[in-house]
Amino acid sequence: DQQVKQNSPSLSVQEGRISILNCDYTNSMFDYFLWYKKYPAEGPTFLISISSIKDKNEDGRFTVFLNKSAKHLSLHIVPSQPGDSAVYFCAASGVYNFNKFYFGSGTKLNVKP
Amino acid sequence: GAGVSQSPSNKVTEKGKDVELRCDPISGHTALYWYRQSLGQGLEFLIYFQGNSAPDKSGLPSDRFSAERTGGSVSTLTIQRTQQEDSAVYLCASSKRGAGSDTQYFGPGTRLTVL
Repeated sequence: DQQVKQNSPSLSVQEGRISILNCDYTNSMFDYFLWYKKYPAEGPTFLISISSIKDKNEDGRFTVFLNKSAKHLSLHIVPSQPGDSAVYFCAASGVYNFNKFYFGSGTKLNVKP
Repeated sequence: GAGVSQSPSNKVTEKGKDVELRCDPISGHTALYWYRQSLGQGLEFLIYFQGNSAPDKSGLPSDRFSAERTGGSVSTLTIQRTQQEDSAVYLCASSKRGAGSDTQYFGPGTRLTVL
């Protein structure tokens, strides 16, 4: 049972434009959300996180938005750069089992020069 | 380097054989996680170690899977009597304390192929 879903397996964006990656979850007990970036042949690397007490967290070109009522989060990358081309995973953990993380299946972002 | 390392990077084995995958976490990190990523799927939690506490094995898919963490550092994931559906990339991650807000640092993974 996929508790975290990324319904778009791929996304193609022009350099300089905004990339929006989406993630939906089903478990209302999730209270901490993360985005990871993964290049080929490497492990995922942490990108940005958000706690359920917030609805937005920004770090440079990366902003994560959380809509708890819709059980939806999104990652915005502005402006997109070719080096952002990678697979992006969203992940979630819950207040009662904070060490267990549930990951989505990933969205492959291609930023075209 | 100071990152998480995993070995081997690739492992091809025959159905029915046992395999051992190794993870060296970042020095000083008390928490260690194993995940696997099957083709087209997200990362699937397998097992979590935190210090000297009993590990959380709730993600292990069958009793053919087991893991140890010796001396609070290196971990070995063992798969007995491998099946073709065990083919996946096995990822290890470590974090300082294992708290939900701790950043997990991932190794490059071991790609397991069961023929």
